Amino acid sequence: DTAVSQTPKYLVTQMGNDKSIKCEQNLGHDTMYWYKQDSKKFLKIMFSYNNKELIINETVPNRFSPKSPDKAHLNLHINSLELGDSAVYFCASSQAGRGNYGYTFGSGTRLTVV
Amino acid sequence: AQTVTQSQPEMSVQEAETVTLSCTYDTSESNYYLFWYKQPPSRQMILVIRQEAYKQQNATENRFSVNFQKAAKSFSLKISDSQLGDTAMYFCAFNEGSNYQLIWGAGTKLIIKP
Repeated sequence: DTAVSQTPKYLVTQMGNDKSIKCEQNLGHDTMYWYKQDSKKFLKIMFSYNNKELIINETVPNRFSPKSPDKAHLNLHINSLELGDSAVYFCASSQAGRGNYGYTFGSGTRLTVV
Repeated sequence: AQTVTQSQPEMSVQEAETVTLSCTYDTSESNYYLFWYKQPPSRQMILVIRQEAYKQQNATENRFSVNFQKAAKSFSLKISDSQLGDTAMYFCAFNEGSNYQLIWGAGTKLIIKP
């Protein structure tokens, strides 16, 4: 059973489109995260939810909107996609509401905007 | 603010050799956690090893071990008997302990040559 599951794994879309990435974890973790990994492999946190409450909201374009219907799910919706949004997006979760034990990551979604 | 520095952008060694990846961090906290993550070409982020700052004993996981020097704020990863499957990006990460966030280094690309 996959612990943190992201769909889709690959997403190719045209500029201006709206797309969503879904994430689900079956670990019973309270906290979930969205990260963006750019072409240089740098990891940048975007959002975090703890038990459906937004706790980290880094400076990202407001075209990006996270949604957490319950603590096992955290989705990322992106409006009006731009070329610069092309990257790998990772979902992750952590136990006990803190980062003490590190994160468990999904397999990533490679988004390509053409 | 905490920072994590990985000074080696890329390294390569022959299979079966031992390799050490360096990581330094900056913090004024006394209670914190350190991690090494591996990202192979499959892009999955995998937790390799975790160290608790208040434990003096260096963490080990099979062929992976760390040299944790708290006073020097250094946390290097040693890979013994390197294998082709160790080829990956390796990220060092820091967690304050009372915080959700992991602070990430820029990564070291490790290539194991046959």
